[in-house]
Order: sequence, then structure tokens, then C-alpha cells
Amino acid sequence: GQQVMQIPQYQHVQEGEDFTTYCNSSTTLSNIQWYKQRPGGHPVFLIQLVKSGEVKKQKRLTFQFGEAKKNSSLHITATQTTDVGTYFCAEPHNAGNNRKLIWGLGTSLAVNP
Amino acid sequence: DGGITQSPKYLFRKEGQNVTLSCEQNLNHDAMYWYRQDPGQGLRLIYYSQIVNDFQKGDIAEGYSVSREKKESFPLTVTSAQKNPTAFYLCASSGPLGQVNTEAFFGQGTRLTVV
Repeated sequence: GQQVMQIPQYQHVQEGEDFTTYCNSSTTLSNIQWYKQRPGGHPVFLIQLVKSGEVKKQKRLTFQFGEAKKNSSLHITATQTTDVGTYFCAEPHNAGNNRKLIWGLGTSLAVNP
Repeated sequence: DGGITQSPKYLFRKEGQNVTLSCEQNLNHDAMYWYRQDPGQGLRLIYYSQIVNDFQKGDIAEGYSVSREKKESFPLTVTSAQKNPTAFYLCASSGPLGQVNTEAFFGQGTRLTVV
């Protein structure tokens, strides 16, 4: 079935270092969504990428969609302690009127102050 | 304020008891979802519903049941048949029907502990 692989599973950085998480699929992704879940919290939508090669920025966060639409990445420049949490990618799957998201397992980011 | 509400935030039950988790949304969303999250794990889909009076099993539906009698409400019952019910349960919604690829909005979650 559909699978979205996300790496790495964990990442531990010093504050100020950069961080990247990758989302890969063996099949072409329709589009990709990214979410952030703070410790003890719930996932919050960050962004959706739709077009091949798309790049979007949100302050220190840069989101990319691969040219072949089989991978995506989230890059955080100069991490801060507020970036701590788990970052998930998810692919919308639509079969008729049945809509659901196929989730990656997430990358947990820890930031040392 | 529009949003999705789960209650209670923390729930304790004795083994062998059924328990129902509440999820209400006032976003006028058609689709609603229940996920289970275990420590350090991703989100696993339990059940989902696209319209009232219709729902589908997700990847781990065994031991759970749902109903969708109203558009706003999608309660989840964790039955005694669920072997490892202790987990963090998240409800989400998206919609409306006809709009594809919309993002999911999540409730605050219910942390269920069965002793």
C-alpha cells in the first residue's frame, strides 16, 4: 500500500544549528503536507506543497517538493528551542469521496540551548 | 471561535470497561478522523467518516467503534476488546466534501490510561 518514509527518526542539535527532515515515497505524491506537534500537544498544519519543484518559506523554515514529486524536505535554519517537537509529512489520499492522510512516522527534533 | 474539541483531556479507566471519547467540531467540516498515537510513534488511523451516518475502518479499527449521527460529532468508543488501549487519542477534521487536499485540524487529544 501507500507509504511515506520519513528520515531521520530523531535529531538532536545545538541551538543555532540547522535541521532537515526528509520525506520519501516510492510513488509519485499528489501533494504533501507538513505538520508540527509540540511535546504533549497536537499536530498543527504548517504548509502544503502541490507543484513539482515547489519551494516555500516561512521565516526560518524552508519547504521543498522534489521535481519528480517523490520526495519533500523541511529545513530549519538556525534552530531555536521553540522549534522542539515532532515534524510530520503527510500525503492526502483521495479515493472517490474517501479522503484520508497517509502519514510519515515523524522526525523528533531536540534542541540544546 | 471555530475549532475542534475533545474531552476529556485525561481519562482513567479500569481494564474491561468500555469508554467513549468525545469529539465535536464547529468548523462545518464533512470529514472527521480518529487517530491513536503511542509514545514516540506516529499517527495511526482508527476510523474516519466523510459524511453523516457513514464511516470507514482505518488501519487499526479492531477493538474500537464509532458513530456519526451528527455532522459536528464523531465519538469513539474504546471497547474491552482493545488489548492495549492506553494511548493518546487524537480527533481531526477536514473539509468540506468536494474540496480535496485540505489540511487537517486536530483537537487537543485525550490521554487514556487503562489500569
